[in-house]
Amino acid sequence: GESVGLHLPTLSVQEGDNSIINCAYSNSASDYFIWYKQESGKGPQFIIDIRSNMDKRQGQRVTVLLNKTVKHLSLQIAATQPGDSAVYFCAEKGGTDKLIFGTGTRLQVFP
Amino acid sequence: DAEITQSPRHKITETGRQVTLACHQTWNHNNMFWYRQDLGHGLRLIHYSYGVQDTNKGEVSDGYSVSRSNTEDLPLTLESAASSQTSVYFCASSAGTGQPQHFGDGTRLSIL
Repeated sequence: GESVGLHLPTLSVQEGDNSIINCAYSNSASDYFIWYKQESGKGPQFIIDIRSNMDKRQGQRVTVLLNKTVKHLSLQIAATQPGDSAVYFCAEKGGTDKLIFGTGTRLQVFP
Repeated sequence: DAEITQSPRHKITETGRQVTLACHQTWNHNNMFWYRQDLGHGLRLIHYSYGVQDTNKGEVSDGYSVSRSNTEDLPLTLESAASSQTSVYFCASSAGTGQPQHFGDGTRLSIL
C-alpha cells in the first residue's frame, strides 16, 4: 500500500475492546484539531474534529478529547472492529487553514 | 456525490522530465492543497491555494509549481523531475478556515 511509515508506533487491540490513540501537538495557539484515518492505498479520511473552545466531542463510536493544558489530543474508538485497522493521524491548525500533521499511529485489530 | 479525484493514480517517469499531476474537486471549495507523503515524514505541504489565481508555497515547495485558473482544479507540476521527488502525492480541499480538509486517494510517482 501507500507509504505511511515503517516505524510508526503501533497499537494492537482485540476486536470489541476500546482503543485510545494519543497525540501531542506543538503549538499552544492552535485552535482546531482533526483526526484522520488512512487505510492502505487510500488518502486520509476525515473522522472527527474539535475546536479549542471544547474539551470533548463525540461521533459515532469515536470520541475526541482535548487537553490544552498539556497540549494533548486523544481519539477513543469504542468496540473496535477489524475495519478500524489503519493508520491514524492527528492534525492541528494555527492561524491559517494550513494543517500540521503528526506522523501517525498504526492500529491493528486482532480477533 | 461531491468528491476529489487525482490522476493518474500511478506514474513512472525519468529524471529531468516535466510531470503534471491533476487534482479535481466538485465541492466548489475555495481552498486546495498539495502534500507529499514519505516514509518517516508524514504529510508535508507543498503548495496551497485559497482561490482562483491565488497560490502559496508550503514547507517543501522547491521544484514544484501550481496554478489555479478555476475553482475545481489545482494541477501540480514538477518542472524537472528528480529522484528525490519519488513519493506519494495527495491533494486536498476545504470549504474554508476551520473546516476539515478532504483528501483524494493519491498519486504514486516514481522517478527513475
